[in-house]
Amino acid sequence: DVKVTQSSRYLVKRTGEKVFLECVQDMDHENMFWYRQDPGLGLRLIYFSYDVKMKEKGDIPEGYSVSREKKERFSLILESASTNQTSMYLCASRTGTESYEQYFGPGTRLTVT
Amino acid sequence: GQQVMQIPQYQHVQEGEDFTTYCNSSTTLSNIQWYKQRPGGHPVFLIQLVKSGEVKKQKRLTFQFGEAKKNSSLHITATQTTDVGTYFCAGPWGNKLVFGAGTILRVKS
Repeated sequence: DVKVTQSSRYLVKRTGEKVFLECVQDMDHENMFWYRQDPGLGLRLIYFSYDVKMKEKGDIPEGYSVSREKKERFSLILESASTNQTSMYLCASRTGTESYEQYFGPGTRLTVT
Repeated sequence: GQQVMQIPQYQHVQEGEDFTTYCNSSTTLSNIQWYKQRPGGHPVFLIQLVKSGEVKKQKRLTFQFGEAKKNSSLHITATQTTDVGTYFCAGPWGNKLVFGAGTILRVKS
């Protein structure tokens, strides 16, 4: 079974803090994704990576950066957290083959106060 | 860019009633996927449809892909309380998946 884990289920940070969200997958997947989920807005893609050290902006990259130094790990960084970044953050991974099935982690609920 | 619209946003049904959610894409899709997210959980892959007009069943769930490969539906027959959650459709766009906003299903017992 594919396993995608995220470093924290719940996180509370202060405005202006630098925040790191970690995601690890154990299936040697090439592609990894970071989404945020807000009520009524569905899943919005922040950044994705199709290989080590490679990254591409998604639909809402402003205020975020990412890092992928190893294949199994994909980190989301909030350079200076703001209250409008309070959200559920979901990491996902999938293979590089034609199947687009994505495997999601349990999510991190981030609150910025 | 590609857009995926999903309706309804929310549906509240009596246990035993049927439920349908609809998904429409602004572009022709090579395939469409459906995911289910239980309350407090994360999205879990249900199925992928690839062929024009394809119909697939999983017990009480029936998935359809339109002839033009621009729309899809998920129908649940005789809903149960275990069906509660949010159902998302998603279509590929390059290396990405574009998700619909989801339909929240609540079931009254």
